[in-house]
Amino acid sequence: GAVVSQHPSWVICKSGTSVKIECRSLDFQATTMFWYRQFPKQSLMLMATSNEGSKATYEQGVEKDKFLINHASLTLSTLTVTSAHPEDSSFYICSARIQGGVGNEQFFGPGTRLTVL
Amino acid sequence: AQSVTQLDSHVSVSEGTPVLLRCNYSSSYSPSLFWYVQHPNKGLQLLLKYTSAATLVKGINGFEAEFKKSETSFHLTKPSAHMSDAAEYFCVVSFSGGYNKLIFGAGTRLAVHP
Repeated sequence: GAVVSQHPSWVICKSGTSVKIECRSLDFQATTMFWYRQFPKQSLMLMATSNEGSKATYEQGVEKDKFLINHASLTLSTLTVTSAHPEDSSFYICSARIQGGVGNEQFFGPGTRLTVL
Repeated sequence: AQSVTQLDSHVSVSEGTPVLLRCNYSSSYSPSLFWYVQHPNKGLQLLLKYTSAATLVKGINGFEAEFKKSETSFHLTKPSAHMSDAAEYFCVVSFSGGYNKLIFGAGTRLAVHP
């Protein structure tokens, strides 16, 4: 149980285009999902917290107009990287908390590798 | 402020020998502590977690960790390393009052040699 999927697993796009990444909780409902980015050989950095039915909460330094987050249902959150540039190339990982779950455990997706040319 | 420090960026062991990955945390609140493992280009897998129950926590694949409040540590150990243990390991802290955010350590890369 507690499986989180991401789609696509990898994407290559041209500079200036937008890319949408999906995060789904497959066997549980998640009122809260999280988006992280990970640069090569570095740790995960929280970008934003996504709450179902409300606006996302962004971490300091993360541009909300560039990284659009939509959490339209209890099983789906999307991250759209708008007008992507090479510096946005990174590994994007989402996670989800079980609705009504105990403790702060998060279940992680397999990640999406974005390469912007 | 809440933080977590992994004391070693790289650890190298021989197959069959013990593994010790060190982690210290700083938290003004009661923390929850986790160890996650990440294999190359993969997502994170939970190894074990501490949430104020038993201080010695047993996880998957033979790993365990001991919560020591007096030392603010949560070191990860395994009696005998296997080649498949080679990966990146993250110590993570979460705390009540932190809006369920996870704070990641910088990671420790474990290499296992034959």
